[in-house]
Amino acid sequence: QVQLQESGPGLVKPSETLSLTCTVSGGSVSSGSYDWSWIRQPPGKGLEWIGYVYNSGGTKYSPSLKSRVTISIDTSRSQFSLKLSYVTAADTAMYYCARSFTSGWVDGFDIWGQGTMVIVSP
Amino acid sequence: SSELTQDPAVSVALGQIVRITCRGDNLRKYYASWYQQKPGQAPLLVMYGQDSRPSGIPDRFSGSSSGNAASLTINGAQAEDEADYYCSSRDSGGDHGFGGGTRLTVL
Repeated sequence: QVQLQESGPGLVKPSETLSLTCTVSGGSVSSGSYDWSWIRQPPGKGLEWIGYVYNSGGTKYSPSLKSRVTISIDTSRSQFSLKLSYVTAADTAMYYCARSFTSGWVDGFDIWGQGTMVIVSP
Repeated sequence: SSELTQDPAVSVALGQIVRITCRGDNLRKYYASWYQQKPGQAPLLVMYGQDSRPSGIPDRFSGSSSGNAASLTINGAQAEDEADYYCSSRDSGGDHGFGGGTRLTVL
């Protein structure tokens, strides 16, 4: 079955760029009508959608993060990536990658990675 | 953006029925999806669409919607259902959002 695995540094300095990669196994990022999302969760808080990339390479970002976010896809490696620039302590969170589906008025995030904790600290 | 509101906490006696509600204007047009999150785990999709359960989700979970509200109902709550539950939906611009989450306690 399809599995997602996040990877990247667990510690990032303030004002630097957070970079994470999600590797998709058991399937391909270019197969089917799925989008590939990043979602984060600060410690003790709720979920926040960051954005997604279509298998065509198009993107959609959260308005609140749009100026700092870049999500890209590498179909040859079956990976998609997140870059978040100019990070602050407020960006400290568990970062999840997830597969999302849409069909008419129905959508959802049906497969999630286990998450990777990123701490922003000097 | 998709702004969704949930009650912060709900409790239910073991074996009883509990309903968790999510409200937002976007729910008048788009269905909510629901996620169960237990401590230290990634969220798990438990309901989507009008009343669709992913494979492996017990049939005691059901969904419904009316107007600007969507609900997740657990008919016969079990101890293992104790978790945080989040609703999610998108808006007409394609942006997604999550509710603030509801902590379910099974007594």
